[in-house]
Amino acid sequence: GENVEQHPSTLSVQEGDSAVIKCTYSDSASNYFPWYKQELGKGPQLIIDIRSNVGEKKDQRIAVTLNKTAKHFSLHITETQPEDSAVYFCAASMGAGNMLTFGGGTRLMVKP
Amino acid sequence: GAVVSQHPSWVICKSGTSVKIECRSLDFQATTMFWYRQFPKQSLMLMATSNEGSKATYEQGVEKDKFLINHASLTLSTLTVTSAHPEDSSFYICSARGGGYGSGSEQFFGPGTRLTVL
Repeated sequence: GENVEQHPSTLSVQEGDSAVIKCTYSDSASNYFPWYKQELGKGPQLIIDIRSNVGEKKDQRIAVTLNKTAKHFSLHITETQPEDSAVYFCAASMGAGNMLTFGGGTRLMVKP
Repeated sequence: GAVVSQHPSWVICKSGTSVKIECRSLDFQATTMFWYRQFPKQSLMLMATSNEGSKATYEQGVEKDKFLINHASLTLSTLTVTSAHPEDSSFYICSARGGGYGSGSEQFFGPGTRLTVL
């Protein structure tokens, strides 16, 4: 089955700096890669996703890149703000509505 | 749109009792619902996939007789933890997928239910 590795497990940045979180996946059949933000005691919220026919996608301060050949994808957050502090999960699946395999999560702390 | 609710948001029960958790899609019909379990500071692990009107498909290592899943309607799925024990204490999260809603029928997650078994 699919295996998703996520790094780093914790990331501390100063407000205004950029944050990058990286994930690798094992199954070349995976074609949908969402990123979720989870705040304490809440369910995950989709923040951005990318499909395998696209190399990069951007939404304001958030961007995701995908390298299908290397089987890795990354989340980039620019101009970080304290409210960006949360746990971020990457995931992979064969299709947007299908079973998701999650990475281990990254705890992002943005220091004011 | 695309709101998924869970009830209760938290529950405390005694060991040996059963607990039912509801997952509802509020503004769309969910043909498929997924149940996840998340232990503290860990990732989400898929427990089972349920399609409306059919039996749930459980992931390896998940006891189907202990975690009963019912998806009787297009807006409601329930997870019943039978004879709960302290090791079942966890954060249970559901997600729902509707046909043709959002970007390629993506999954929408509920807010989670914190179960504590004493």
